[in-house]
Amino acid sequence: NAGVTQTPKFRILKIGQSMTLQCTQDMNHNYMYWYRQDPGMGLKLIYYSVGAGITDKGEVPNGYNVSRSTTEDFPLRLELAAPSQTSVYFCASRRGSTYEQYFGPGTRLTVT
Amino acid sequence: GESVGLHLPTLSVQEGDNSIINCAYSNSASDYFIWYKQESGKGPQFIIDIRSNMDKRQGQRVTVLLNKTVKHLSLQIAATQPGDSAVYFCAENIRETSGSRLTFGEGTQLTVNP
Repeated sequence: NAGVTQTPKFRILKIGQSMTLQCTQDMNHNYMYWYRQDPGMGLKLIYYSVGAGITDKGEVPNGYNVSRSTTEDFPLRLELAAPSQTSVYFCASRRGSTYEQYFGPGTRLTVT
Repeated sequence: GESVGLHLPTLSVQEGDNSIINCAYSNSASDYFIWYKQESGKGPQFIIDIRSNMDKRQGQRVTVLLNKTVKHLSLQIAATQPGDSAVYFCAENIRETSGSRLTFGEGTQLTVNP
């Protein structure tokens, strides 16, 4: 299994631009999560999904949107990029029977 | 509000010494705790977990201790090696009506000196 994969690895956006961060997992996990990690800080939950067709807001959802049309994919959309969204974004997934989350390698996003 | 926090943001140890990383939590309803290791430029990696009905759990070179009385969690690493240098996060699982989710602490940077 490849586990959790994220693309792109790095991206620079101008203020006001839009982009989609891709996340795919091949472990057939129902639960998927998006976190952001600011420098020297812990992870903050943006959005999560308990299964295809179901999404819910986390701690810091403003400025983001998600969709979950399949079990494997959980893209994160930034509609109007702002400098405050400069961060490293991690996608994670888990089985329904455990709480352990498996993380992707992250996407480093800079908004200037 | 509820939070998970760490006592020490940085910890420097000599190779071969034991390391202890501490974590305080405030939500008495948390039923599960995880320690993650994050190396530079990588995503967090699971180390060890413990359920709230346990006080101690041991893995390979790592031990997690849970003190529910004072809401304290610790990670002990035996015979610390340079490869253990990383940021370590504790996370607590909180059950809510909409499901359960992990809340992460801010992390402790562990540096192992050769």
